[in-house]
Order: sequence, then structure tokens, then C-alpha cells
Amino acid sequence: GIQVEQSPPDLILQEGANSTLRCNFSDSVNNLQWFHQNPWGQLINLFYIPSGTKQNGRLSATTVATERYSLLYISSSQTTDSGVYFCAVVTNDYKLSFGAGTTVTVRA
Amino acid sequence: DAGVTQSPTHLIKTRGQHVTLRCSPISGHKSVSWYQQVLGQGPQFIFQYYEKEERGRGNFPDRFSARQFPNYSSELNVNALLLGDSALYLCASAVSPEDEAFFGQGTRLTVV
Repeated sequence: GIQVEQSPPDLILQEGANSTLRCNFSDSVNNLQWFHQNPWGQLINLFYIPSGTKQNGRLSATTVATERYSLLYISSSQTTDSGVYFCAVVTNDYKLSFGAGTTVTVRA
Repeated sequence: DAGVTQSPTHLIKTRGQHVTLRCSPISGHKSVSWYQQVLGQGPQFIFQYYEKEERGRGNFPDRFSARQFPNYSSELNVNALLLGDSALYLCASAVSPEDEAFFGQGTRLTVV
């Protein structure tokens, strides 16, 4: 099956800092989603981004499908940005294959 | 509009017992998928149902089964529970399998 690798595994930021999370995938994908998992376990949709660039407030994402990677940018980080960020890709079987996640800790 | 709802939110079961988890998709969504997330890992695909038919199954034993009802809600059943089945079980819904998926809050199952 497809391999999804996220880096870095852990990220510690000072409030106000910017950061970039990366997702590499091993095969062609139909779609890609970024999620933020809150401390209670719910996966919150951030971006649905099979290709191109999208922005939502302080967050933006870019997917370069031909080179098999996606980036999630967090600008001016806040303590509420803490949590685990997951990248998940969809292939021809239409199931989501998740990476292992990046754990982000934002310190005040 | 209501999001994806799962019940119960927490559950404690004994080894060997059976458990049923329930999921109601977002109104208008016909695709429901189930995922298992153990601590420290990303969610793993268990089942996908679309228009009441099984469209995909992950690498899980036959103790795991699911179904989708005419109203598109879904149940996940696990028989002969093992300690290793302790996990967060997540349900996702989408308009169709290739569309954006939205997740419920999950059911946290503890097997003792």
C-alpha cells in the first residue's frame, strides 16, 4: 500500500513563531487532506487539497502532486495550535491512508 | 447542521465480550468509513460503506464487521474482544467515497 511519511515527528514552537510541516507520499493520489487532532481525539478538517495552494487564516497548505508531497504552514502560532497534525491521502480505493502525525507544542 | 455523531463516547468492556459502535453521518452523506486509532499512531482504515454496500475492508480480522442502514447510519461490531482492541474508533462520512471526509468525535473503547 501507499506510504505516507510526515516530518518532523515533533515540533516545539514559541508563541508567534512560524513553522512548516511536511507530508511525503509514495504513489499517485486522488486527494489529500490535512487534519488537526484536538486533545479529545476529534479530527478537525484543515484542508482538502489534492493539488495547488489554499489558505485559511494563519494556516496555508500546498500540494505538489507530481512530486508527491504536501506542506502545511502555520504562521504566528498560538497555544491553541498545539496538537497532532495528520496528513491523509486517498488513492484509487478511496480509503484514507494516514501518516504518523506531527505533534506540535506551542509554548506561551 | 449536525456533524458526524458517534455513540457511545466511552466504553469499557471485558475480554471476550462483544461491542457495537454507532455512527450517524452528516445529512446528505452516503459514504461512511471506520478507522481504528491506537495511542501514538495515525488512524488505520477498517471499513468503507457507500450506498449500503461494502466498498473496502482494511487488514483487520473477521471479528470486525460493519453494516450501513437505509438511512446511511452505520454500526461497527467487534466480537471476542481482545486487550489489543483498546483504541479510539473513528467514523468518517462523505458525500461519496472520493469526496472530503469529515470525522466524528470518536468512541474510546477500553478492553480490560
